[in-house]
Amino acid sequence: GIQVEQSPPDLILQEGANSTLRCNFSDSVNNLQWFHQNPWGQLINLFYIPSGTKQNGRLSATTVATERYSLLYISSSQTTDSGVYFCAALNSGGSNYKLTFGKGTLLTVNP
Amino acid sequence: DSGVTQTPKHLITATGQRVTLRCSPRSGDLSVYWYQQSLDQGLQFLIQYYNGEERAKGNILERFSAQQFPDLHSELNLSSLELGDSALYFCASSVGQGYYEQYFGPGTRLTVT
Repeated sequence: GIQVEQSPPDLILQEGANSTLRCNFSDSVNNLQWFHQNPWGQLINLFYIPSGTKQNGRLSATTVATERYSLLYISSSQTTDSGVYFCAALNSGGSNYKLTFGKGTLLTVNP
Repeated sequence: DSGVTQTPKHLITATGQRVTLRCSPRSGDLSVYWYQQSLDQGLQFLIQYYNGEERAKGNILERFSAQQFPDLHSELNLSSLELGDSALYFCASSVGQGYYEQYFGPGTRLTVT
């Protein structure tokens, strides 16, 4: 099945800093999602982005499907951005529409 | 709020017991997915239902079973529980069974003692 790798595994920032999280996937995808898992364990949908670029406030994401990677940009980070960011991909073809998750990037934003 | 609801939020039980986790998908969504998040395995797909029928299975143990009812809510049954079954169990839903965005519920945290 498809492999999803995220980097970096850990990231520590000061409030106000910008960051870029990367997600590499091993095969073509028809679904690529970014999630934020908050300290209470909830998985919050950030982006559904199988290709192209999207922006939502201070967050934006870009997926280059032909090169098999996606980037999540966080600008002017806030302490509430802390948590784990997951990338998840759904492989093209077949009848199994499961998401395969990366191991996540643990982001800590210090005041 | 994703619109997906899960009950209970927390569950503490003993080894050997059986529990049932419940999920209600977003209004209008026909597909339900179950995922397990554990410290050692990360987030893993368990099983998918579409409009009442099982469509795909992942790393789901034989001690686990699920179903989707006519009103589209789903239940995940875990039996003969072991310490290693302690995890966060998520339900997700999507409008169809194709390459649609999946929305996740708040999860049920299961602790087996």
